[in-house]
Amino acid sequence: DSGVTQTPKHLITATGQRVTLRCSPRSGDLSVYWYQQSLDQGLQFLIQYYNGEERAKGNILERFSAQQFPDLHSELNLSSLELGDSALYFCASSEFAGQGVPEAFFGQGTRLTVV
Amino acid sequence: ELKVEQNPLFLSMQEGKNYTIYCNYSTTSDRLYWYRQDPGKSLESLFVLLSNGAVKQEGRLMASLDTKARLSTLHITAAVHDLSATYFCAVDMFTQGGSEKLVFGKGTKLTVNP
Repeated sequence: DSGVTQTPKHLITATGQRVTLRCSPRSGDLSVYWYQQSLDQGLQFLIQYYNGEERAKGNILERFSAQQFPDLHSELNLSSLELGDSALYFCASSEFAGQGVPEAFFGQGTRLTVV
Repeated sequence: ELKVEQNPLFLSMQEGKNYTIYCNYSTTSDRLYWYRQDPGKSLESLFVLLSNGAVKQEGRLMASLDTKARLSTLHITAAVHDLSATYFCAVDMFTQGGSEKLVFGKGTKLTVNP
C-alpha cells in the first residue's frame, strides 16, 4: 500500500457526461500528480499541483481540469466525456516539488469507462 | 521534448534465464526511476537512480544508470514466474516553472515461462 488513496476505483459513464476523480496523497506529501494510462498512449502526465498551486501541465485536454484543496487532496474533473477518454487515471504524490528526490508514489488508479 | 524509449516492449523468457531491459532517453537528466506494474494494478517503485554510475540491486533485479550515454538498464537474473509484470522506466524532467514531472517509457511486458 503506497498510502495514496484514489476513489472511485471504477467508473462507468456515458459520453457527454462529467465525472470527478478524487485523490488523497500520502501524509506529508505536498505534490500531487495526475497521469492517464491508455493502451495507445501509454502513461501520460496530465498535471501537477504543489501545496494548492498548479506547478506543471502536461498533455491535459481543455475539457479536463484539476485542483488541490487546502487539506491537500486533489480532484480531477473530466467533462464532455468521449469514448477515447476511457483509461486508467493515476494519482501520485511526492514530498518535494523541483528539489530533492521527487520519488512519486502511485495510487491504485481509477478505471474510467465511457460508453 | 524529452523522449524515453524502452526495449524490448515484449519479453518472453524461461525461468532461470538472464535478460536485460534497456531504457534510453533523449535529454540530460540525472534521475531515473524503474516501476513495476501488475495487470490492472498500480505502479510500484522499484529503483531510484540519482547519479551517473548508480547501481542498485533488489533480489533478482539490478538497475544501473549511465547519464553520459543516457541509458539505464534493468537486469534480470535467474528469472522466476513472480517477476512477470510490466516494467516502466521514467525520467525526471524539469519544467520551466522549476517543477518536475516524470516522463515514462512505453513499458516492457515481461512474461516468465516455466
